Amino acid sequence: DTGVSQDPRHKITKRGQNVTFRCDPISEHNRLYWYRQTLGQGPEFLTYFQNEAQLEKSRLLSDRFSAERPKGSFSTLEIQRTEQGDSAMYLCASSSPQGLDGYTFGSGTRLTVV
Amino acid sequence: GENVEQHPSTLSVQEGDSAVIKCTYSDSASNYFPWYKQELGKGPQLIIDIRSNVGEKKDQRIAVTLNKTAKHFSLHITETQPEDSAVYFCAATPSAARQLTFGSGTQLTVLP
Repeated sequence: DTGVSQDPRHKITKRGQNVTFRCDPISEHNRLYWYRQTLGQGPEFLTYFQNEAQLEKSRLLSDRFSAERPKGSFSTLEIQRTEQGDSAMYLCASSSPQGLDGYTFGSGTRLTVV
Repeated sequence: GENVEQHPSTLSVQEGDSAVIKCTYSDSASNYFPWYKQELGKGPQLIIDIRSNVGEKKDQRIAVTLNKTAKHFSLHITETQPEDSAVYFCAATPSAARQLTFGSGTQLTVLP
C-alpha cells in the first residue's frame, strides 16, 4: 500500500476560478477526512466520509466548497469562485472503521490564490 | 466544541537532551489523544497516541502522559537527534474515528 495520495501537490489559481483536488485513501480504510492547514497553524477539520456518505461538515466549509466520495473510494474537494483567503494546504486523511491505528495523512495540496 | 492549547510554540534543545511539549484540552468527553510530526512540505505523521484508559504510553524514545483530571497531556522525547527537528502537533477527540481538534503546533529544533 502506498498510503494516502493527493493530487495535485501544488495549485496556483486566479481569484474567482474553480479548483478541484483529489484524494486516494488507503484501500482498506472506509473513513476519509479533509482538513485545511494555514501557515503556522494546526490542521482544521472540514468534512469526513464513511464510505460514500458525508457524515459531518465544519462551519468552515462554506457553500463554495463541496466534497464527494463516489462509490466510497477516492474523494474530490472542489472550491468554487476561489478567494485569496482560500490559500492553504488541503490535507486528506483516512482511517479504519474504528480508527484503531489512527489517521494516515496524505502530503497535501498547497493552494495559492493570486 | 473542543479546544486544544499547545505550549511552547518553539523549542530548541541540544542533541541528546530531552524535549517536552504540553497540551491542554477542554472537552471532558475527549478520550483519544494522538501526536503528529510534520516535516516541511509533508503531511502530519502519527508518532504516538494514547487513549483515556491509560495514563502513559512509551515507544522507544517517545512517551506520552495523560492526566484526565487536569485535562492535559504531554509528549516526551528523550535523547533527541537532529532528525527529530520538525513541527509537532497534539490533537484530541471523543472518538478515534471522528474529527480531530489540533493544537497550534510546536517547532522543535535539535541543535547538533
